Amino acid sequence: GAGVSQSPRYKVAKRGQDVALRCDPISGHVSLFWYQQALGQGPEFLTYFQNEAQLDKSGLPSDRFFAERPEGSVSTLKIQRTQQEDSAVYLCASTHRASSGSGDTQYFGPGTRLTVL
Amino acid sequence: AQTVTQSQPEMSVQEAETVTLSCTYDTSENNYYLFWYKQPPSRQMILVIRQEAYKQQNATENRFSVNFQKAAKSFSLKITDSQLGDTAMYFCAFMKLGVGANSKLTFGKGITLSVRP
Repeated sequence: GAGVSQSPRYKVAKRGQDVALRCDPISGHVSLFWYQQALGQGPEFLTYFQNEAQLDKSGLPSDRFFAERPEGSVSTLKIQRTQQEDSAVYLCASTHRASSGSGDTQYFGPGTRLTVL
Repeated sequence: AQTVTQSQPEMSVQEAETVTLSCTYDTSENNYYLFWYKQPPSRQMILVIRQEAYKQQNATENRFSVNFQKAAKSFSLKITDSQLGDTAMYFCAFMKLGVGANSKLTFGKGITLSVRP
């Protein structure tokens, strides 16, 4: 079916606002990853889900960042009280299998570009 | 922790010519994958090629091939017969394998490749 989709594609927020970014992985994909890509940099890992379980959130930069995947499909990344340093492209990726070091290819969405003014 | 270094920020190549993009990495792991991803302007990241560390033979995908030197921790990408559509940012990435690994990718900073007509 369709690839990974993300919405919105662009989001402008005033400093201090809360934002929610959505990821729709490829249907049936078990594993879902969130990455943050600052301008001119490579993506950096934020968090990982296997089905609905958040197995690794070691990359979340602060407690203002929260992610969920309640039914094991769609995921939402929420950022509370946004700061200017949160401005980045947020990428979502999914893989078919549980990613217990299996080496599966990650399929990426187009990203959400967040600009915090 | 793993690190991935792409020391060339940008490169340019004439259409139909060959170009090599460099990548080095640092890890104490023995089992891992290495990847090259392509990110065209305003488009999503797609996999170009992947290499399992335990395989001595270099991976090849049509016009794309790698030179994997495990002892030197080097993983370069060669593009032959460069095409205008190859213009993009290219990221080298590392994935740890095995029990306890969650298949998160560690990316380099990327290199901007421009193909000149």
